[in-house]
Amino acid sequence: NAGVTQTPKFQVLKTGQSMTLQCAQDMNHNSMYWYRQDPGMGLRLIYYSASEGTTDKGEVPNGYNVSRLNKREFSLRLESAAPSQTSVYFCASSEGPARVQPQHFGDGTRLSIL
Amino acid sequence: DAKTTQPNSMESNEEEPVHLPCNHSTISGTDYIHWYRQLPSQGPEYVIHGLTSNVNNRMASLAIAEDRKSSTLILHRATLRDAAVYYCILRDEKNYGQNFVFGPGTRLSVLP
Repeated sequence: NAGVTQTPKFQVLKTGQSMTLQCAQDMNHNSMYWYRQDPGMGLRLIYYSASEGTTDKGEVPNGYNVSRLNKREFSLRLESAAPSQTSVYFCASSEGPARVQPQHFGDGTRLSIL
Repeated sequence: DAKTTQPNSMESNEEEPVHLPCNHSTISGTDYIHWYRQLPSQGPEYVIHGLTSNVNNRMASLAIAEDRKSSTLILHRATLRDAAVYYCILRDEKNYGQNFVFGPGTRLSVLP
């Protein structure tokens, strides 16, 4: 089983460019999440989707948009990349509410914005 | 929001038990205590979670104080593969999306 798959693994962008980070899970999980992790720090939630068809903002949503394409896929879009968005991005999923269910994480996308 | 406090770093010798502490003095009655760990260049990995009673699984044990203001993650026999950053997180039913911050955690070093 692949679990949570993120693409691409690495990306370099120029300021102002746009891109979409892809995430897919094969565990039939209802909830999916996008986090960012800056160097030497913990993770902060950008957006989450409690179930197919719903999305909500997390702690740091500015500059990002998300789409829950179907139950398997949850994408994160940067419309106009800024150097402050240089980070490692992690996608996660859980069977139900993360209050009581474990989250499963992908290996991350390392994004640099010049 | 409930917050947790963990030591920045700890060291352990291989094959010895490790006790990782976490203080959460403002925990509410509905907060679950979760532990995750993150190995270098990987995403976080779920370790264990509990509400009031002590919990055991194949990876670790979670000891929760009777007043729930602190908890301890116990690795019974540390291996080199256990070297990671360990995060203690509280999750409640009121702030479903907002209470998902992973703080700096505890960096555990395991010495051979």
